[in-house]
This record gives sequence, C-alpha cells and structure tokens, in this order.
Amino acid sequence: DTAVSQTPKYLVTQMGNDKSIKCEQNLGHDTMYWYKQDSKKFLKIMFSYNNKELIINETVPNRFSPKSPDKAHLNLHINSLELGDSAVYFCASSPIGSPGANVLTFGAGSRLTVL
Amino acid sequence: AQSVSQHNHHVILSEAASLELGCNYSYGGTVNLFWYVQYPGQHLQLLLKYFSGDPLVKGIKGFEAEFIKSKFSFNLRKPSVQWSDTAEYFCAVNPNTNAGKSTFGDGTTLTVKP
Repeated sequence: DTAVSQTPKYLVTQMGNDKSIKCEQNLGHDTMYWYKQDSKKFLKIMFSYNNKELIINETVPNRFSPKSPDKAHLNLHINSLELGDSAVYFCASSPIGSPGANVLTFGAGSRLTVL
Repeated sequence: AQSVSQHNHHVILSEAASLELGCNYSYGGTVNLFWYVQYPGQHLQLLLKYFSGDPLVKGIKGFEAEFIKSKFSFNLRKPSVQWSDTAEYFCAVNPNTNAGKSTFGDGTTLTVKP
C-alpha cells in the first residue's frame, strides 16, 4: 500500500488554465505538506496543514489554494497557471510528537508542465 | 529563519571511493537534522536523522552523518560507495517543535561510476 499517494503523476496544461493535484496519506499522520521542486531540484515548502488547519503558508501566490477536507487529504488547486509554475509538486506527511515528529514521508511527486 | 547550505552541487566518484557531502545550517535554537535521498525517477526518502544524543547517526545502506554543533554541520559519509548510490542527496533542518517546517538545502547530485 502506498503511504502517500498523489494524483496525477504528470500534468501538462496551457497557461491560464486551472488545475488540481490531490494527495492522500494512509499513515495516520496529523500534518501534511506541499513542497515545490523547481528545475534545479531546489525544494521549498509551500503549505502545511495540521489536522485540517493551515499552519504554514509560505510566500506563495494566492493563485495556489490548498484544501484539506480531513487530516488524511491535502489537495492543491492552482488558478490561472503560469509558465513559472512548471515544477514537481511533492506532497508529504509527518506525525506530531516524538520521536517521529518532522520526519517527512513523501509522495511520488506530480510533475506539472505549463505550456 | 533557518537556512541550509550544501557545498557540493555535483560529486562524481568511482565505485568503492569514500564519500563525504557537506551540510551547514544556520539556526540559533535546537534543531532536528535530516538527510533525504532521491534516486532517479523516485520520490524522496529518509536516509537518516538526528534528534538528540549520540552525534554520530547511522542510516540505511551504510550511510552515516555526524552532527557537530560548534560548526553547525551535519555532513554525510559513506566509506565505500556503490553504483546504486547514484542519486540526489538533500540535507534538511527543522526547528525542534511539533509544527516546525523542514528547510532543505539545494541538493547534491552524486554520480557513481561503475
């Protein structure tokens, strides 16, 4: 069973479109994240949710809107896609409390290409 | 805010060579430290972690890392690399809080030649 699963794995779309990426974890973790990995492999956190509550919101354009319907799911919706949004988006989760707190389990990534 | 610096962007080694990848961080408080690995075409996975205690930590596949607090460093080592170690390696630091966020270094691409 995949611990953190993301769909779709690949997404090719035109500028200006709206798209969503879904993420689900079956680890029972309380915290979920979205990270963006650019073409130079640099990983940067975008959002973090703890039990459906937004706790980290980095400087991300408001075209990006995360939604967490329950603590096992964290979706990412992107409006008005731009060329610079092309990247690999990784979902991750982690437990809270020692000893595993902050150890991230990543999904396989969703490669978004904006044409 | 914390930051992480990885000194080597691309390392090329022959099989059986020894490996050391540098990682330095800047953060004034207590931190959790991590190395993650991303094999070609795969997702990131945890290689090893340091929370507290013995500053020399051992991870999977023969990797180890040493936390030197005075140098704000957490270098990754392996005595003898294999071709299958070819991957991207990321150092990460997280403030020691339950709701902390992990800040990643730029990554080091390791290529091991057979």
